[in-house]
Amino acid sequence: AQSVAQPEDQVNVAEGNPLTVKCTYSVSGNPYLFWYVQYPNRGLQFLLKYITGDNLVKGSYGFEAEFNKSQTSFHLKKPSALVSDSALYFCAVRDGTNSGYALNFGKGTSLLVTP
Amino acid sequence: DAGITQSPRYKITETGRQVTLMCHQTWSHSYMFWYRQDLGHGLRLIYYSAAADITDKGEVPDGYVVSRSKTENFPLTLESATRSQTSVYFCASSAPGLAGAEQYFGPGTRLTVT
Repeated sequence: AQSVAQPEDQVNVAEGNPLTVKCTYSVSGNPYLFWYVQYPNRGLQFLLKYITGDNLVKGSYGFEAEFNKSQTSFHLKKPSALVSDSALYFCAVRDGTNSGYALNFGKGTSLLVTP
Repeated sequence: DAGITQSPRYKITETGRQVTLMCHQTWSHSYMFWYRQDLGHGLRLIYYSAAADITDKGEVPDGYVVSRSKTENFPLTLESATRSQTSVYFCASSAPGLAGAEQYFGPGTRLTVT
């Protein structure tokens, strides 16, 4: 079985401050981990992914994520938040040793960046 | 380059009616997926397809039917709509052969069953 957990329903950050959106995963094999962002009334947009290699992954719009195998985490980070970063963020996982290609999504974290 | 499109974007229907949601992608991706998004549940997989004429159930398939006669189209049919199927439905696609490939999502269809 594969799953991810996003422990925070909402994260509030002031503009210019660093932000972190948390995600922990559970897979039986090697994890393929993804972050997506959803703006209101829009579909999900891919931000970044971890497959293998460097534990720090850089993605779109200045976001990055750190893979931590010992803590089974894949937290999304950004050094300086923008008001326009306010959106719904989803972490997702695929078990790399399974034959299926579907993603298992977390329940989402709403990020609010205030001016 | 349209990418992945869904139609209609909004639909209101009555309980018991049949409804078909359309999904079309222009990338020739082998894999296509249908998810539903509900508050508190995130996205849940309904059905997916590995190629034309190959489909399989996801986490919540009951009450839904899919077909895939052409690579680019993946319609989702609610045979007899129920209020519990009120949701936002997303179609997605991904490139073949790579378990690490990301999925690309359509804009969604907001379905209300009255």
